[in-house]
Formats: sequence, C-alpha cells, structure tokens
Amino acid sequence: GESVGLHLPTLSVQEGDNSIINCAYSNSASDYFIWYKQESGKGPQFIIDIRSNMDKRQGQRVTVLLNKTVKHLSLQIAATQPGDSAVYFCAASGGYKYIFGTGTRLKVLA
Amino acid sequence: NAGVTQTPKFQVLKTGQSMTLQCAQDMNHEYMSWYRQDPGMGLRLIHYSVGAGITDQGEVPNGYNVSRSTTEDFPLRLLSAAPSQTSVYFCASSYEAGGQPQHFGDGTRLSIL
Repeated sequence: GESVGLHLPTLSVQEGDNSIINCAYSNSASDYFIWYKQESGKGPQFIIDIRSNMDKRQGQRVTVLLNKTVKHLSLQIAATQPGDSAVYFCAASGGYKYIFGTGTRLKVLA
Repeated sequence: NAGVTQTPKFQVLKTGQSMTLQCAQDMNHEYMSWYRQDPGMGLRLIHYSVGAGITDQGEVPNGYNVSRSTTEDFPLRLLSAAPSQTSVYFCASSYEAGGQPQHFGDGTRLSIL
C-alpha cells in the first residue's frame, strides 16, 4: 500500500546550524505535500506545503524541496533555534486522503 | 476564532464501553478527518468527510463510526472499546478536500483498560 517514510527518527543539530529533514513517498500519483511540526502535547501545526508542479518553495527560514523522479522531499530549516525542537512530519496527498510519515524528532543543542 | 476543538482531552474507558469523541471547527471547512497516533506509527486516517452528510473510511476504520450532520461537527464513536484502541486521536479540517493544509486539534488521549 501507500507509504510515506522519514529517513531518520532523530536528528540533533547545533543551535544556529541548518537542519535538513528528509522524507520519501511511494505513490507517484501524490500531487500535494505538506510538512507539519508537532510539539509535545499538541496537534500537528502546518509549516509549509508544495504541489507537484513545483520543485522548491520557501517560507520564513524554511524551504521544501521536491524531487518527483526519486519521490523524495526535504525540509530545510535555516539557523535552527531552540524553539524548533519538535517532531516533524511530512504528508503526501493525491485526492481526499493524506498519508503521513512516522516523524523525525529534531533536537537543538545549545 | 477557536479553530479545531476536541473534547475531552483525556479519557479512560473500560473494555467494552462506548463513547463519542467530539470535534468542532468554526472555520466553515468542508473537509474533516480523524486520525489516530501511535508510537512509531505516525498518523493513520480513520474516517474522513468531504462535506455534511458525506463520510468515508480511511486506513483503519474498524471499531469506529462517524457521522457529519453539520459542517461544524464531526464526532467519532467507539462502539465497544478495546485495549488496541488506546491511542491519541486527532481531528483535522481543511477548506476543501485534498490539496489543502489541514488544521489540527490538540488531541484526545484515550486509554482503554
């Protein structure tokens, strides 16, 4: 069946460095992709999205890259801050259903 | 503007009991969905609705019922609770079905003894 997977369950980065979180999806019909941030005890919070007709999209300190050839997307966080510590999920959608990855926990080291 | 509101925040049930998890949104969103989140499993879709009166099954629908009589509310019913349904449940909504970021509630933490 469809799947979305994250490459690392945990990522530790030094404060001020850039973070890169990766995600792979299986369904080539997926045409919409989202990154969420989840803090402890809270629901997922939307960070940034990208449609399949794009390969890059930038937000405030975040960039999402989409490579449809290898069915891979990544989230880049510039100048990582302590407030970025959370679990990050990617999700893929092709129609009414969203398939979520298992999440990468980002730890920011002081 | 409250967004997506889930009640209760915590609940403990005994095996075989039934209960309803409430979800309400005030954003006039057409699409609503329920997920469960288990350790190491990510979010899995239980049921979703593309509008009032329309519901459909997701990835893990067994043991759960839903209805959508209004745009605002999308309750999830556990018919006969089982320990395997111990999880954190999230409700989400978006303006349209597909191609839109979903807004999530803060979850209901459910334990079945």
